[in-house]
Amino acid sequence: ILNVEQSPQSLHVQEGDSTNFTCSFPSSNFYALHWYRWETAKSPEALFVMTLNGDEKKKGRISATLNTKEGYSYLYIKGSQPEDSATYLCASLTGTASKLTFGTGTRLQVTL
Amino acid sequence: GAVVSQHPSWVICKSGTSVKIECRSLDFQATTMFWYRQFPKQSLMLMATSNEGSKATYEQGVEKDKFLINHASLTLSTLTVTSAHPEDSSFYICSATTSGRFYNEQFFGPGTRLTVL
Repeated sequence: ILNVEQSPQSLHVQEGDSTNFTCSFPSSNFYALHWYRWETAKSPEALFVMTLNGDEKKKGRISATLNTKEGYSYLYIKGSQPEDSATYLCASLTGTASKLTFGTGTRLQVTL
Repeated sequence: GAVVSQHPSWVICKSGTSVKIECRSLDFQATTMFWYRQFPKQSLMLMATSNEGSKATYEQGVEKDKFLINHASLTLSTLTVTSAHPEDSSFYICSATTSGRFYNEQFFGPGTRLTVL
């Protein structure tokens, strides 16, 4: 993996469903992995910054895991609500790049 | 806390004119501010890193004479797109940190949509 890749590109779920998306990133020279939530017409909001292999972080119904050896992170949303509708971005920081490299995001739409 | 504003939110200009975009940290002092650009269906791409009182560091392929960055205070950075052309039409977004390190979360502005006719 040379770039940061996110899947799926978009997702449509119903209220109450649980869902998850994937962020794949270069595993060599890894420093940190960021997750942001970006609602339309608003500023991206930081969810998690993760640095250690095996890290698990949780904020309310949203949680994330990190595997730095294989270069992936999962974001989980339990019991999706319409207000969870947003684009979820991940970004990785590697030593060689010395900057955050963003994925193109997963666009989540939650309907009633 | 940690609010970043950006102005204007959208701008339409004629080819050849210059456009200034402001990025302000409203309730904290931002050691470092970053400017990103996003083209349709693409990811946020870092253009430059700006530290208060010093020259900005530009990413490879970003012309520093075309995208002038000024970071005159700990709460304000400006990006001026000089002699804008249609290919400069894009979404520009700034972010700020208190530590200047990418380890820490970045606080983003809401972005500016630039359309050059």
